Amino acid sequence: DQQVKQNSPSLSVQEGRISILNCDYTNSMFDYFLWYKKYPAEGPTFLISISSIKDKNEDGRFTVFLNKSAKHLSLHIVPSQPGDSAVYFCAAISGGYQKVTFGTGTKLQVIP
Amino acid sequence: DGGITQSPKYLFRKEGQNVTLSCEQNLNHDAMYWYRQDPGQGLRLIYYSQIVNDFQKGDIAEGYSVSREKKESFPLTVTSAQKNPTAFYLCASSPVRQFDEQFFGPGTRLTVL
Repeated sequence: DQQVKQNSPSLSVQEGRISILNCDYTNSMFDYFLWYKKYPAEGPTFLISISSIKDKNEDGRFTVFLNKSAKHLSLHIVPSQPGDSAVYFCAAISGGYQKVTFGTGTKLQVIP
Repeated sequence: DGGITQSPKYLFRKEGQNVTLSCEQNLNHDAMYWYRQDPGQGLRLIYYSQIVNDFQKGDIAEGYSVSREKKESFPLTVTSAQKNPTAFYLCASSPVRQFDEQFFGPGTRLTVL
């Protein structure tokens, strides 16, 4: 039972344009969400997070939006750069914060 | 330099053999985690530990075992009971319950022949 889903396994975007990566979740107990970026043969690195009490969090070129009623979050990257090409995982945590549940990942390719 | 090391990067084993994957961190983190990554799937939690000498099963613990005798070390044993052991294994650590400070190691790719 995949509680965190990223329905697009891959995405291609032109350099300078916006990249939008989507994530859906089913567990209404999730109250904190994170995005990780992963390059091949490396471990993921934390990118940005958002608490369920907010609907938007921004950090430089990266913005995460949360729609709790739709159980949906998205990561916007503007402008996209070739170095952003990687696999992006969304992740969710429920109360207690003991463990994180990861999505299936979306491979982003930014074309120069 | 602080960080997490996993060794080896690539590991080959014959079917039916137990194998232990190493994970060491010098970040002074209390919590450590083992994940497994398979193609088309997210990172799935195998085991986690929030303190020395204590650990909890994750979502897919069957066929695996861990120990946490030292704060810095959290080795994972893939036993012969694990039906599909070939995968990419990632170790991570964080301050307890602070996942935005979760650091991952480079991973070990295990191939069972």
